[in-house]
Amino acid sequence: DTGVSQNPRHKITKRGQNVTFRCDPISEHNRLYWYRQTLGQGPEFLTYFQNEAQLEKSRLLSDRFSAERPKGSFSTLEIQRTEQGDSAMYLCASSTKRGGNRGDIQYFGAGTRLSVL
Amino acid sequence: AQKVTQAQTEISVVEKEDVTLDCVYETRDTTYYLFWYKQPPSGELVFLIRRNSFDEQNEISGRYSWNFQKSTSSFNFTITASQVVDSAVYFCALVTVSFGNEKLTFGTGTRLTIIP
Repeated sequence: DTGVSQNPRHKITKRGQNVTFRCDPISEHNRLYWYRQTLGQGPEFLTYFQNEAQLEKSRLLSDRFSAERPKGSFSTLEIQRTEQGDSAMYLCASSTKRGGNRGDIQYFGAGTRLSVL
Repeated sequence: AQKVTQAQTEISVVEKEDVTLDCVYETRDTTYYLFWYKQPPSGELVFLIRRNSFDEQNEISGRYSWNFQKSTSSFNFTITASQVVDSAVYFCALVTVSFGNEKLTFGTGTRLTIIP
């Protein structure tokens, strides 16, 4: 299996601009997660997909954030009207082949580091 | 609500010394899983170990071992004969499986520096 792939690795943008990140999970994994990690902290859950359905969103995910997973494959995370407080590492993880067990290992990508100037 | 506490913010040891990373967790669920992940400077979280709430048997895997004690809600991780390549931030994490979404709750991490 190839690992979880995230693009771009780094993104620098000006405040107020829109940005979009992409995550390609491990093939056959039906669960996909987005997390956000700020400096000196552990990752925090943002949202979760089971196949193409977005089943849960954290309160951290304001109206400016939207995530999609069309056809249950890759996922995109868009941030509209970026703010300096959005600067963080955005991590994607995938887990669980169909018929898999609970508590499956989540495999993470290398993340997209966003800097909002 | 779930919570994971890693009280050690930073640890430095000399190469070849053993080092233990502490983790204390809180959950009301009876079924849960505990994980350790490593985050090297490259940024990618690397899975290390997993333990479920029904199995308190402690194990050793190579230079890694872990001590899971439900009575104290602790899940400590030990690296034996540390190496410079072990330098990274280590995260303890908890998953509860009550409602289908198996989101990870992470601690704040312990930065481990191995001094050559």
